[in-house]
Amino acid sequence: GQNIDQPTEMTATEGAIVQINCTYQTSGFNGLFWYQQHAGEAPTFLSYNVLDGLEEKGRFSSFLSRSKGYSYLLLKELQMKDSASYLCAVVDSNYQLIWGAGTKLIIKP
Amino acid sequence: GAVVSQHPSRVICKSGTSVKIECRSLDFQATTMFWYRQFPKKSLMLMATSNEGSKATYEQGVEKDKFLINHASLTLSTLTVTSAHPEDSSFYICSARTSGDVDTQYFGPGTRLTVL
Repeated sequence: GQNIDQPTEMTATEGAIVQINCTYQTSGFNGLFWYQQHAGEAPTFLSYNVLDGLEEKGRFSSFLSRSKGYSYLLLKELQMKDSASYLCAVVDSNYQLIWGAGTKLIIKP
Repeated sequence: GAVVSQHPSRVICKSGTSVKIECRSLDFQATTMFWYRQFPKKSLMLMATSNEGSKATYEQGVEKDKFLINHASLTLSTLTVTSAHPEDSSFYICSARTSGDVDTQYFGPGTRLTVL
């Protein structure tokens, strides 16, 4: 079967750094998305990785290792507004999205 | 865990025809279902929110007569793209949530629509 694993919930302090991990086992791989979703709102796109390595975009970075079936989202200089759910989704060989259950990130002052 | 399926996974149709996409919650009752459209820049645009047994609430700019949504049961919602045109070609994704956990959405695998 196809499976995406990410922690259910994480807590971090304002100004700190947090890494949200995502491991996957899918039939084929055609890219991995990270989305941010605030309660009651639509998910917003953060990153798309299809090649190994780290991609940095402002305070957010995303890393991919296809050989390990692993990705992480790194958030630096955390702000209270970063409190949200972070969704990992993999595009499989049929170009279907396989979604993780999401990681609820709680930021404390 | 909660599973949401979509059918078909991909569809190709001629311009002017209508296409129906199904979204099913397989192991839970979905009191609310959401329909999204994924654009080439990877962002998800919320099209509409539907509650079981009532009319869907459409986001601003989404034509309700073109994108017909029916949430007839607690496990099924359908999106019908009427008189499809090439610009409607996109990836359509549904998600579902239960009344017991309004903070969690379970996403479907998506349906790729290509209109020729």
